[in-house]
Parts: sequence; C-alpha cells; structure tokens
Amino acid sequence: NAGVTQTPKFQVLKTGQSMTLQCAQDMNHNSMYWYRQDPGMGLRLIYYSASEGTTDKGEVPNGYNVSRLNKREFSLRLESAAPSQTSVYFCASSHGTGSLPDTQYFGPGTRLTVL
Amino acid sequence: KQEVTQIPAALSVPEGENLVLNCSFTDSAIYNLQWFRQDPGKGLTSLLLIQSSQREQTSGRLNASLDKSSGRSTLYIAASQPGDSATYLCAVIYAGNNRKLIWGLGTSLAVNP
Repeated sequence: NAGVTQTPKFQVLKTGQSMTLQCAQDMNHNSMYWYRQDPGMGLRLIYYSASEGTTDKGEVPNGYNVSRLNKREFSLRLESAAPSQTSVYFCASSHGTGSLPDTQYFGPGTRLTVL
Repeated sequence: KQEVTQIPAALSVPEGENLVLNCSFTDSAIYNLQWFRQDPGKGLTSLLLIQSSQREQTSGRLNASLDKSSGRSTLYIAASQPGDSATYLCAVIYAGNNRKLIWGLGTSLAVNP
C-alpha cells in the first residue's frame, strides 16, 4: 500500500498563476483533508471531505477550491496564487465511519513557493 | 477559543534518558487527542490516539496519558534513542467540531548520542 500520495512534491509559481495539487489514497478511506503548515502557525485545515460527494470549508478556505473526484482522490486548486499561499500543503485521509473521529494518515506534503 | 499548547517548544536530551512532552488544551469536551511525529521535510505519522473515554495508550516505548479535567496530555518516551529525534505534534478534536483537528505547534526533540 502506498497510503496517501501527493503530487507534486515541490512547486514554484508566480503571483496570479493557477495550479492544482493532487492527492490520492489507497486505503478505501471515506474522509479526506487538506492542510497547510506555516512556521509559528501550526497546521490549519483548508477544506475537508467527510465522504465522497461532499466538501466543507475548514479554518482557512479563502483562495482555494477543492474537488472530491472519487473516493480515492481529493484535489486542491489555487485559482490565482498569492505570496501568502507560500506554504507546505498536506493531504490526509481517515476511515471516517462511525460516530467517533479516527486517526488521520498524512501524505508527504507539497512545498509551494509563490513569488 | 479552542486551542492546543505544547511545552517545551524544543528539547535536547542525551541518549537513554526518559522524557515527557506536554500538551494542554482549553476545553475538556473533546472527542479524542492524538500525538503525531514529523520528521524534517516529511509528512506526519500518527503515534497514538486517545479517545475521550480513555486515560492512556501505549505503543512500544511510547505512553500517552489524558487528563480531561486538567486539560492535559503527556507523551512519555522511555529510553530515548537518536532515531526519536523529530517534532512531536499534539492535536485535539473538540466536541461539536467533528473531525477537525486543532493542532499544537509541536515540540522539537533532539536525542544526542
């Protein structure tokens, strides 16, 4: 099992450019998440998808859009990149069944720099 | 505001020492608390998850405790090794905020040979 995979690993964009970060999991998980990690800020939830076909905003959704393409894949799109979006982006997934939240499994991250 | 705080921010110990990392949270109404490990330039690995109804969880040399009344969790690492060097993150899911982890800033641990 590959677990959670993310592409690309590194990306440099110019202000105003767009791009999509890809995430896939092979654990048959229902829930998927996008986080960003910034020094001194900790991890912050951007969007999540509790199950296939649903998406919800997290703590910092502005400037981002997401698509839950199918049960395996959850993509994050930056329509017009800004320097404030320079960060490390992590995708995660969890079983998401039952009434109790459960362990999240993380991908290796995408390091994005916006010039 | 629902927050998670970790102290100390950094810790350096000699190999073989037993150590304790601390995590505090502001509201006792939680679903669970999780400890993660992050190696430089890499993703996060889940170490232990403690449900609200539990007092502790153990995995190998790691033991995590939960005291909801005081809003605290500790991660105990026995007989530390250089391979334990990493950043340890605590995260809480508060009741009513289902599936949304609130993260601490982490403790950066260096175990010196």
